[in-house]
Amino acid sequence: QLVLTQSPSASASLGASVKLTCTLSSGHSSYAIAWHQQQPEKGPRYLMKLNSDGSHSKGDGIPDRFSGSSSGAERYLTISSLQSEDEADYYCQTWGTGINWVFGGGTKLTVL
Amino acid sequence: QLQLQESGPGLVKPSETLSLTCTVSGGSISSSSYYWGWIRQPPGKGLEWIGSIYYSGSTYYNPSLKSRVTISVDTSKNQFSLKLSSVTAADTAVYYCARGFEYCSGGSCLNAFDIWGQGTMVTVSS
Repeated sequence: QLVLTQSPSASASLGASVKLTCTLSSGHSSYAIAWHQQQPEKGPRYLMKLNSDGSHSKGDGIPDRFSGSSSGAERYLTISSLQSEDEADYYCQTWGTGINWVFGGGTKLTVL
Repeated sequence: QLQLQESGPGLVKPSETLSLTCTVSGGSISSSSYYWGWIRQPPGKGLEWIGSIYYSGSTYYNPSLKSRVTISVDTSKNQFSLKLSSVTAADTAVYYCARGFEYCSGGSCLNAFDIWGQGTMVTVSS
């Protein structure tokens, strides 16, 4: 079964960096994913697609502060030089034939 | 710049059918490069994929909702729609429409949503 696992919460200080993790279930470590950001009271915003080799491609207008990387079944979203507007929920998402579209449970990022 | 806007009743009675429309502006819904989807988010919870429709008319639905969901496209109006029948309080959520794309590399493919609507809240209550 294709499942994406995310930590429910994370926190980091203003100006610092944070690395969020999305873990693919067993047998799916080669899958690419997408990262989405949802600021409070807003709709989600596509950030990037991230391949298993760590190569990634960001959406239009996404700042350079956002980057992605991969290791095995883990997919990471790193946000550097944290700003107050980065406080949001972050969701990973993937797709599988016959399984269709799957979202992780989301990580709530607090900027201290 | 492509934009999506959801519309429809904000209140639906239990056992009735929820109907929403997504209007696409700034681009054509008939593009073969993309497809269209519905996603929902219950209050305080995460995102749940409902279904997707391709320009060819092919549809894919979440197995947990499949028996109650219909997604269709009206190319003349540049809109696509969601119908969810026999609703209960568990269907109360913010409903989002989105544009999807497929990216294939090294023998594997990713389907993801890259443009989202702002969402519309639907409450199921008598």
